[in-house]
Amino acid sequence: AQTVTQSQPEMSVQEAETVTLSCTYDTSESDYYLFWYKQPPSRQMILVIRQEAYKQQNATENRFSVNFQKAAKSFSLKISDSQLGDAAMYFCAYWGGDKIIFGKGTRLHILP
Amino acid sequence: GAVVSQHPSWVICKSGTSVKIECRSLDFQATTMFWYRQFPKQSLMLMATSNEGSKATYEQGVEKDKFLINHASLTLSTLTVTSAHPEDSSFYICSASTGSTGNNSPLHFGNGTRLTVT
Repeated sequence: AQTVTQSQPEMSVQEAETVTLSCTYDTSESDYYLFWYKQPPSRQMILVIRQEAYKQQNATENRFSVNFQKAAKSFSLKISDSQLGDAAMYFCAYWGGDKIIFGKGTRLHILP
Repeated sequence: GAVVSQHPSWVICKSGTSVKIECRSLDFQATTMFWYRQFPKQSLMLMATSNEGSKATYEQGVEKDKFLINHASLTLSTLTVTSAHPEDSSFYICSASTGSTGNNSPLHFGNGTRLTVT
């Protein structure tokens, strides 16, 4: 069975600084998708970034980028120039085609 | 973009009563809908997967007689919490899939329903 592990329950970063959230996963599949979702206090699930496993190039969305290491099954999220609005729960997720599996989440605090 | 409407956003009910939560895909046909439960400060736990016109597939440990899921059309799925008890109090989130990953998330989430059973 696929699993997603986020080893950092909480993290803090100074405003304007860079932070990296870790995620590892386990699967025997070769074709899948990985995601980072943000859940602010409103509890709405917001897609931050996605990565197709067959693509070697790391995905980037403005201040958000990933470091995708397929062999190591690692999928970390880097947030550059952190802003107060980035404060939220961040969930790493795996999609193998039938359902999404979420990690336990990392709560990110932004220090002004 | 794809919009999923979940209703109600907040409900309080008495112990022993039933509560129905609706999840509608407003501008697309959802071949599959998922229901998640989220406890405070925890991750989303998948409860069940429903495909239009067929019985829902429940995850291990989820009581199918307690959490009734109906997916009667391609735009509507409902979750009914039957004979609710205080331990059923939680945040429930639905999501809908078009069956294609496209360029975005394969899932489109509702805004969730906070259920409180007194």
